[in-house]
Amino acid sequence: DVKVTQSSRYLVKRTGEKVFLECVQDMDHENMFWYRQDPGLGLRLIYFSYDVKMKEKGDIPEGYSVSREKKERFSLILESASTNQTSMYLCASSSGTIVTDTQYFGPGTRLTVL
Amino acid sequence: GQNIDQPTEMTATEGAIVQINCTYQTSGFNGLFWYQQHAGEAPTFLSYNVLDGLEEKGRFSSFLSRSKGYSYLLLKELQMKDSASYLCAVLDSNYQLIWGAGTKLIIKP
Repeated sequence: DVKVTQSSRYLVKRTGEKVFLECVQDMDHENMFWYRQDPGLGLRLIYFSYDVKMKEKGDIPEGYSVSREKKERFSLILESASTNQTSMYLCASSSGTIVTDTQYFGPGTRLTVL
Repeated sequence: GQNIDQPTEMTATEGAIVQINCTYQTSGFNGLFWYQQHAGEAPTFLSYNVLDGLEEKGRFSSFLSRSKGYSYLLLKELQMKDSASYLCAVLDSNYQLIWGAGTKLIIKP
């Protein structure tokens, strides 16, 4: 079974703090994704990566950056957290061998910015 | 713009059948996914359709009509554990997933 883990389930930070969200997958997947999920909205893609050290902007990259130094790990960074970044953050991975391959999700990190 | 529409919430009775609809308008189409998400948990894959017709997988079936931009997820013999949100997502011409807001399904005894 694919396992995608995220470093924290719940996180509370203050406005202006730098926040790191970590995601690790154990299935040697090429593709990794960061989404945010807000009530009444669909999942919105922040960034994705299709290879080590490669990254692509998604639909809402502003205020975020990412890092992929190793294949299994994809980090989301909030350089200066703001209250409108309070959300559920979901990481996902897919094998990338088939473009329509299923995405497997981590349990999510619920971030509150005060 | 790209758009995925699903009902916000539905209620059904244990043992019954429920159909959750999804309509989409996207730039291109490379398949449609259904995911299940229990409250506080990660979405999990249910089905993928790229050709018209019905795909059956146990109690769950998914239907696609590309000409109508329409899909539905059919859940039979509903169980209490089926209470969850059901997310519809379309892979567009750039192979980007466009997500609907999800349908919260409430099962009553």
